[in-house]
Amino acid sequence: AQSVAQPEDQVNVAEGNPLTVKCTYSVSGNPYLFWYVQYPNRGLQFLLKYITGDNLVKGSYGFEAEFNKSQTSFHLKKPSALVSDSALYFCAVILTPSGYSTLTFGKGTMLLVSP
Amino acid sequence: NAGVMQNPRHLVRRRGQEARLRCSPMKGHSHVYWYRQLPEEGLKFMVYLQKENIIDESGMPKERFSAEFPKEGPSILRIQQVVRGDSAAYFCASSIGAGSSDTQYFGPGTRLTVL
Repeated sequence: AQSVAQPEDQVNVAEGNPLTVKCTYSVSGNPYLFWYVQYPNRGLQFLLKYITGDNLVKGSYGFEAEFNKSQTSFHLKKPSALVSDSALYFCAVILTPSGYSTLTFGKGTMLLVSP
Repeated sequence: NAGVMQNPRHLVRRRGQEARLRCSPMKGHSHVYWYRQLPEEGLKFMVYLQKENIIDESGMPKERFSAEFPKEGPSILRIQQVVRGDSAAYFCASSIGAGSSDTQYFGPGTRLTVL
């Protein structure tokens, strides 16, 4: 079955340290991968996406993600975390069994950055 | 350029009542998606619409739920005879095209509470 997984419910990191939020996928063919962030009681904000080309994708707010086909992963990274990065992060993949572009989301990872 | 707008932001209904959720896509976007976020779960796709057409409703419950996107006006998600299990956050997203690489931009959501 095609799916996307976020193995960690929560990630804790100290401000100024690098952060990684993990995402793995299981799809046939070439995946289109996305990261979104959700702040409390807010909608989802688009961070970045991988469609094709360079495996390292740079996005908003200093975030980047690396597409690794052999490990079927698309981990989100940031060199230096900020307290304001604390939020719920979702990885998503486009699954097109019907040919339509609907997003399938992971369960989300809560990132907590301590001062 | 205003983002995706949803109203109301919060909606309280008693069991058996009807809930109407509205979504106005970003300017220039003609593709609308509805997703539901249940407590302790990730976002699940419900329905994908273009102007005056339902393209994919594979994620929508077969009974009590309906959606439309008329030629003029916002997209409407309607839930008839609501039950407590319908309590959730409902998010609308829009995209400029139907391509798998087109980014979906999300609204702030409508939080439905069924008493």
